[in-house]
Amino acid sequence: AQSVTQLGSHVSVSEGALVLLRCNYSSSVPPYLFWYVQYPNQGLQLLLKYTSAATLVKGINGFEAEFKKSETSFHLTKPSAHMSDAAEYFCAVIATGTASKLTFGTGTRLQVTL
Amino acid sequence: NAGVMQNPRHLVRRRGQEARLRCSPMKGHSHVYWYRQLPEEGLKFMVYLQKENIIDESGMPKERFSAEFPKEGPSILRIQQVVRGDSAAYFCASSPQGDEQFFGPGTRLTVL
Repeated sequence: AQSVTQLGSHVSVSEGALVLLRCNYSSSVPPYLFWYVQYPNQGLQLLLKYTSAATLVKGINGFEAEFKKSETSFHLTKPSAHMSDAAEYFCAVIATGTASKLTFGTGTRLQVTL
Repeated sequence: NAGVMQNPRHLVRRRGQEARLRCSPMKGHSHVYWYRQLPEEGLKFMVYLQKENIIDESGMPKERFSAEFPKEGPSILRIQQVVRGDSAAYFCASSPQGDEQFFGPGTRLTVL
């Protein structure tokens, strides 16, 4: 079984500051990991995904995440926050090689202040 | 290539009525997933279908909810005799091979 834990339901950063959103996973098999972003009243957009290739994954809008097996983590970062980054971010996991459901974390709401 | 399409985008029903939510997957995608997002919560898996088959319905409530993905046409999520607790956003996702999932814009169901 797979699960993800997102630490911090709300994160607030100043514009231009580093963004760090935390995600830890649990999986009985090698996982695929995803970060999705959701803007108000919209669907989910894929930011990036880890599928067992490079451990440092670069995504859209300047985001990246690093898969650390030893720490069972897949934290999302962005060097410099922009006002347009304010949204809800979800980490999700799926078991490798299975046509299976995504298991989502509870989400982290990112607020960006001036 | 059009994305995943869901309709209606907003649906209002009175208690006891039926709700039908439609999802047209991306072209070439044969895997469809339905998720529900309750207010202030993350997405919870409901059901996974391939053409004409339900693969995993472990997240579906035992009563009133059903889903289908016919050979022709969109996938349908059907909720009978809706109650206020069914009010949520329902998202459909499709996948070509069952790994990366592409999400639709969702249907927001309000039960009065």
